[in-house]
Amino acid sequence: GNSVTQMEGPVTLSEEAFLTINCTYTATGYPSLFWYVQYPGEGLQLLLKATKADDKGSNKGFEATYRKETTSFHLEKGSVQVSDSAVYFCALSEYDMRFGAGTRLTVKP
Amino acid sequence: NAGVTQTPKFRVLKTGQSMTLLCAQDMNHEYMYWYRQDPGMGLRLIHYSVGEGTTAKGEVPDGYNVSRLKKQNFLLGLESAAPSQTSVYFCASSYSRSVSYEQYFGPGTRLTVT
Repeated sequence: GNSVTQMEGPVTLSEEAFLTINCTYTATGYPSLFWYVQYPGEGLQLLLKATKADDKGSNKGFEATYRKETTSFHLEKGSVQVSDSAVYFCALSEYDMRFGAGTRLTVKP
Repeated sequence: NAGVTQTPKFRVLKTGQSMTLLCAQDMNHEYMYWYRQDPGMGLRLIHYSVGEGTTAKGEVPDGYNVSRLKKQNFLLGLESAAPSQTSVYFCASSYSRSVSYEQYFGPGTRLTVT
């Protein structure tokens, strides 16, 4: 069945550091891929998405590119801020939405 | 717009007790979902609904029942709570089940079963 694997956390970075959170997927067809973010005490919010191969999703300085050849959708940001501290979920949607386990990011001043 | 709201925010139950979680959305979405979130496991789909009066099982449906009597509301019931149902429960809704449509989430309900 479809599944998502993302790097285990927690990840701790200093402000202005470069961020990469790895995400790979298994799917039978042509899913859409998503990154959701969960701030403390809140529900998940869509961060970005990509609906076909080679699409790049971007929002708030975050980017991820849908790589069909490597079945990956890694999340990147060039310079993280303290306000980016949250849990990040990679997800795919084909028949149902499938989520990765989540990666907790803490950014220190 | 309030988006997706959930009631209650927190609840503690004793084993064997029952309760109902209420989800409401004001976006006129056809599709609604209930997930549970457990540490290290991401979100897992419990049940979902493709429209008023229609529900279906997700990945982990055992021990839960749902109802969608009105388009804007989706109820999740626990008839006889067990400690294994201690979790954070999220409701979500979407305009379509098409692969490209994102889901909108409520703030969650933290349930503890002792």
